[in-house]
Amino acid sequence: AQKVTQAQTEISVVEKEDVTLDCVYETRDTTYYLFWYKQPPSGELVFLIRRNSFDEQNEISGRYSWNFQKSTSSFNFTITASQVVDSAVYFCALSVRGAGSYQLTFGKGTKLSVIP
Amino acid sequence: EAGVTQSPTHLIKTRGQQATLRCSPISGHTSVYWYQQALGLGLQFLLWYDEGEERNRGNFPPRFSGRQFPNYSSELNVNALELEDSALYLCASSPRTDSYTFGSGTRLTVV
Repeated sequence: AQKVTQAQTEISVVEKEDVTLDCVYETRDTTYYLFWYKQPPSGELVFLIRRNSFDEQNEISGRYSWNFQKSTSSFNFTITASQVVDSAVYFCALSVRGAGSYQLTFGKGTKLSVIP
Repeated sequence: EAGVTQSPTHLIKTRGQQATLRCSPISGHTSVYWYQQALGLGLQFLLWYDEGEERNRGNFPPRFSGRQFPNYSSELNVNALELEDSALYLCASSPRTDSYTFGSGTRLTVV
């Protein structure tokens, strides 16, 4: 069975601070994908990144960066110089190709509040 | 390219009634996934449809059902509604390659 743990339920930061959202996953499969989604108050899930299990390169996209470490089964997400528009709930998710099933397993989410 | 469309946006039903939620996937996507986001429970997988067939379902009772039409759009039906069915229902479409695009959801309120 797959499991994703986001230990931080809520985080508050002051605008322009850096913030890291933690994600730890569990799976016995060797082939899997990890995702981060952003859910603003409007409700839709906005795709941020997908990373496959064979690619441990860190990625940077503007103010966003992701650190994938298979040794610790972690896929952490850092926002640099946070802005009020970053306020949202962020979900980490896992997809494995086991038994023909492809659905996402989500963490409980981390609610980020950026205070002006 | 049009995104994933869900309707209605909001739905209010009385306990015991039936609710029907609809999802239109991105053109060319053959898979549709349904998720329930209830308060305090996170996002939970409900159903997966691909090529018109139900391929997998999550840990939900049989009164949660659905179907996928030849044009790959999908319906989620919830029978005998209970108060705890109140939630945001999200649909995602996929070309079956570990890529998922979500709709804006249907917020179901059971009173």
